[in-house]
Order: sequence, then C-alpha cells, then structure tokens
Amino acid sequence: DIVMTQSPDSLPVSLGERATINCKSSQNILYSSNNKNYLAWFQQRPGQPPKLLISWASTRESGVPDRFSGSGSGTDFTLTISSLQAEDVAVYYCQQYYSTPYTFGQGTKLEIK
Amino acid sequence: QVQLVQSGAEVKKPGASVKVSCKTSGYTFETFGISWVRQAPGQGLEWMGWISAYNGDTTYAQNFQGRVIMTTDTSTSTAYMELRSLTSDDTAVYYCARDEWNWYGDYWGQGTLVTVSS
Repeated sequence: DIVMTQSPDSLPVSLGERATINCKSSQNILYSSNNKNYLAWFQQRPGQPPKLLISWASTRESGVPDRFSGSGSGTDFTLTISSLQAEDVAVYYCQQYYSTPYTFGQGTKLEIK
Repeated sequence: QVQLVQSGAEVKKPGASVKVSCKTSGYTFETFGISWVRQAPGQGLEWMGWISAYNGDTTYAQNFQGRVIMTTDTSTSTAYMELRSLTSDDTAVYYCARDEWNWYGDYWGQGTLVTVSS
C-alpha cells in the first residue's frame, strides 16, 4: 500500500498569513503516460464530511476560493492557503488515487494562532 | 444540485451486519460511481471501495474483502454498503461519495455513524 505522510500534524497560523501543508507519498504517484499526479486534497470542518478542494495535485474544484492552491509532483506535494481566513480552520487530508487501496494522509489540523 | 443523503445512525452488536444507504439526486446516477470511506472516532479517513452505478463493477480494499458488499439500485438512484461480522473496530462514521472513475469523491454524503457495542 502507498503510505501518505503529512506534515505538520498541527499548524497554527495567524489570520491573513500563509499556511503550507506538506504531503509525501511512499511511492511515485505520477502516471508517466498522461503526466498526471493522482493526488487530491480535502478539507474537513468539525462535524462535516470531507470537501474536495483540489484534484490532480493542482486543479482547484469549482467554487473553491483561489487562496487555495496545490503543487508538487512525483512524491512530494503541497497545499497552500495564501491568506488564512477564519473559515479555513479545519483538518486537511491528502489522498492518492494512483493505486488501490487508495490511501489518505493522517491529516493536518489547521488552527488560528 | 448534487446531493447524497445517507441513512441514519445504527447501533449493532458484535457479529452482526449493517447496511447503510446513500440516496443520490441532482445528477444522472448511472454515469458515476460511488465510493465508501469510513472514519473512526477522532481518526483519519479510510477508503473501503468503489462501485460503478453503470454496471455494478466493484473494487474493494483488501482490508474489507469478504466482509463488505456494495450494491446500487438504479431505479431509486441509491447505493448501499453492507458490512458483515462487525467488531468494535468497525465503530465509525461511514461516508458515501460520488466518484466518477474510481478516483476521488467530489460530493459527499453527510455520514452515518455505526456503533458496534455489546
């Protein structure tokens, strides 16, 4: 199974500041035939289901604010929130869908400093 | 708008089975699949498997092989997940998610809490 490891586990950030969450896969999740990274990012607010933010490592879903961006390739990926808003407090998960069983990172809890 | 509405919370005894439903609306059911993901209390997300609503093809995580059955009913645009031989380790919130190609869920149900306790 591909292991997804996020860092940090917890991230305190001041309102208006940048937040950066890292995700590392134990194997390459870039499919060479289409040059796509099989990685998604989700936001989960307390008591809510996960919400898809980004697919293919960097494609923002419709309706997701443009302060959210994804980057990286191969085994190392990053979710960046350019200017933290109060409503961004949540746990963030990365997920690989390169090979089954699809696996998630352990989550990063983003909080206001 | 796309909606996935799941059945209500369940309490089961060890060894029993549970069947969770996921009623969908707002899109053509047969053109997408449904993934199932669970989350134990205070824990992360665990992918259980996927079913095509087009032809019923399934992919199950090895951890659940032989214990989980995913089905769909196209007449009611509803997906089902049945988990057998429950233990306390199966206590979790179970989510369904629309998933076109067995990749990632783009719309999620509200979750169904399944508690396994003697």
